[in-house]
Amino acid sequence: ETGVTQTPRHLVMGMTNKKSLKCEQHLGHNAMYWYKQSAKKPLELMFVYNFKEQTENNSVPSRFSPECPNSSHLFLHLHTLQPEDSALYLCASSQEHSTPGELFFGEGSRLTVL
Amino acid sequence: GQNIDQPTEMTATEGAIVQINCTYQTSGFNGLFWYQQHAGEAPTFLSYNVLDGLEEKGRFSSFLSRSKGYSYLLLKELQMKDSASYLCAVLDSNYQLIWGAGTKLIIKP
Repeated sequence: ETGVTQTPRHLVMGMTNKKSLKCEQHLGHNAMYWYKQSAKKPLELMFVYNFKEQTENNSVPSRFSPECPNSSHLFLHLHTLQPEDSALYLCASSQEHSTPGELFFGEGSRLTVL
Repeated sequence: GQNIDQPTEMTATEGAIVQINCTYQTSGFNGLFWYQQHAGEAPTFLSYNVLDGLEEKGRFSSFLSRSKGYSYLLLKELQMKDSASYLCAVLDSNYQLIWGAGTKLIIKP
């Protein structure tokens, strides 16, 4: 079983749809992250949760709504997205007392907005 | 502003050595990371440098010069499986990771 699992791996949606991305970590970590990865651009941090509390929200549009029901699960709810939101969405986790900045990533959810 | 620069793409030959450079300008410094990302896969942690010098880990080595804002990742005895993107990231004074856009490394037989 991989450490960080993301579903779905691929998602195609229209601009009026509502969908959710799911992330689950099996590593016992206390922090979880959502990143956006676009071609030839640096990773963009979207949201951070520490012990289920949101600690970062990097000016992300409200059409992206995170949810962290417990320290092992993280969701990204999507609605009325734009074509420019098409990207790879990566979930990651980390442990507070390990090397800061050492993240464990899932394989991502490839999102296409039509 | 904060900035990480690394080449967009590099090509090397199987069995050879390649050096991927990374320069950074950040608000403070608490360490530099290299991650490897194969196409369609998760980025995975390769190395962490917080002090100047060379850290060796098998075929991979990472070098840091804080005074120059410079790091490189050295890959020896290249194998086809080393074809991937290599991401450089710096932990700034707020312990936020600042990422480069990644270097796509293509290995040819």
